[in-house]
Parts: sequence; C-alpha cells; structure tokens
Amino acid sequence: GQQVMQIPQYQHVQEGEDFTTYCNSSTTLSNIQWYKQRPGGHPVFLIQLVKSGEVKKQKRLTFQFGEAKKNSSLHITATQTTDVGTYFCAGPRNTDKLIFGTGTRLQVFP
Amino acid sequence: GAVVSQHPSWVICKSGTSVKIECRSLDFQATTMFWYRQFPKQSLMLMATSNEGSKATYEQGVEKDKFLINHASLTLSTLTVTSAHPEDSSFYICSARVARGETQYFGPGTRLLVL
Repeated sequence: GQQVMQIPQYQHVQEGEDFTTYCNSSTTLSNIQWYKQRPGGHPVFLIQLVKSGEVKKQKRLTFQFGEAKKNSSLHITATQTTDVGTYFCAGPRNTDKLIFGTGTRLQVFP
Repeated sequence: GAVVSQHPSWVICKSGTSVKIECRSLDFQATTMFWYRQFPKQSLMLMATSNEGSKATYEQGVEKDKFLINHASLTLSTLTVTSAHPEDSSFYICSARVARGETQYFGPGTRLLVL
C-alpha cells in the first residue's frame, strides 16, 4: 500500500542551527501537506504544496515539493526553541484520505 | 474560524467499559470527519472515515464492532470504544472538513487510558 516515509526520525540541534526533514512517498501525490505537533499537542496545519517543484516560505520555514511530486522537504533556518515538536508530512490517498508520514521529531537545545 | 473540538480531552476507564468520544466542528459544517489514533512517538494512523448520514468506512485492521462511529449531524461525530482494553490506550484525534479536497481541521485529541 501507499507509504510515506520521513527522515531523519529524530534530530537534535543547537539553537541557531538549521534543520531539514525529508518526506518520500511511494506513489505520486496530488499535493503534500505539512503539520507540526508540539509535545502533548495535536497536529497543526502548516502548509500545502500542489505544483511540481513548488517552493513556499513561511518566515524561517521553507517547504519544497519535488519535481516528480513524490518527495518534499521542510527546512528551518536558525532554529529556535519554539520549533521543538514533531513535523509530519501528509499526502492524500485516493484524493480523499490523508496518509501521514512517519514524522521527524525535532529537539532544540538552547 | 475552522475550529474542531473534542470531548473529553482525557479519560481513564476500567478494562471492559465503553468510552464515547465526541468530535464537533464549531463554526462550520463538516460533511466528513476522520478518526485517527496515535500511539506514543508514532505517527497518526487513520482509523475510519465518517460521512454525515451514512455508515463509517473503516481502514483495514480496524474492528468496526469495537470502534463504533456515528455521524448523526454535520457538526458532530462520535467514536465509542467498546469493551476497552489496556491496548486501546492511545491518543485519539478527529479531523473535519467541509468538502472533498478541502483542508482537514484537527481537534485537540482525546487521551484514553484503560486500566
């Protein structure tokens, strides 16, 4: 079945360092969504990418959708302690349901 | 806008009892609601899709007789964990959307602990 994998599984960085998580789908996606889940919280929608090769920025966050629409990345520049959490990508299955990636847990040390 | 609530936020129950979790879309009508389960340090796994006025569609491996879903109105879906056992302890999260292809809005989740 359709699988969405993310690497790395965990990442510990010093505050101010950059961070990147990669998302790979076994199938082509019509769109890719990114969510952030703080410890003890629920997933919060960050962004959706639709076009092949699309790049979007939200302040220090840069999201990219691969040309083949099977992979995506989230890059955080100069991490802050407020960036701590688990970042999930998610893609639609059968244009209806969301399949979540395995997630990357980010820990930022001050 | 687009707020989804869940009740209760956490529940502790004895093994063998049933627990009902409510998911409400507060400021929009949701034709479809989704129920997810998340075990510690794992990803969200879709359990079932609930469409207003029709039977829920369950994902492979999810027992429909154990996880009863009712979507009686456009703003409310309920998940009942019947005869709960310790292995059912998890974080249950619902999401709601207005229409197919639209963004899903997630509820705050319900933490269930079965003793």
